[in-house]
Amino acid sequence: AQSVTQPDIHITVSEGASLELRCNYSYGATPYLFWYVQSPGQGLQLLLKYFSGDTLVQGIKGFEAEFKRSQSSFNLRKPSVHWSDAAEYFCAAASPPRLVFGAGTILRVKS
Amino acid sequence: NAGVTQTPKFQVLKTGQSMTLQCAQDMNHNSMYWYRQDPGMGLRLIYYSASEGTTDKGEVPNGYNVSRLNKREFSLRLESAAPSQTSVYFCASSVSGELFFGEGSRLTVL
Repeated sequence: AQSVTQPDIHITVSEGASLELRCNYSYGATPYLFWYVQSPGQGLQLLLKYFSGDTLVQGIKGFEAEFKRSQSSFNLRKPSVHWSDAAEYFCAAASPPRLVFGAGTILRVKS
Repeated sequence: NAGVTQTPKFQVLKTGQSMTLQCAQDMNHNSMYWYRQDPGMGLRLIYYSASEGTTDKGEVPNGYNVSRLNKREFSLRLESAAPSQTSVYFCASSVSGELFFGEGSRLTVL
């Protein structure tokens, strides 16, 4: 079955430190891949997406993600975290039209 | 500039009652979706509609029905609500696999 796994439920980083959120997918063929962010009480906002081509994808708010076919991974990174990045982050994979989400990773930022 | 509009935003039901969540999009997208969000479980796909006139089950369809009324509208119905259906429901529409979400509907079943 198609699935997306985010191994980390919670992550805490210090403001200014680097961040990596992990995502693994299980699909027959390479799906479209996405990262979304959700602030408390809000809807979901798209950070970035990968369809094909360059495996390093740049997104909004200084985020980037790297697609690694050999590891079935699509990890999200940011070089320097800001307090406003505290939110829940969701990885998602699509074999259109069907799109499924991981369980999410809650990011806490300490000052 | 409405995007995806869901109604109602909040609803409290008693066990066994029925209700319909309405969703409309004005972006001319073919695909529409209903997800539920529960703490620690992410967003789980209930039903989706790849195009007008078609609907398909997602990961957690039991207890729900959907109707793709036309290209713009995709409704979700709970025929006999259960406490396990207490959740936040999100409608979304899609182009090229990218989802555009409504603001969510918080449903509580007592």
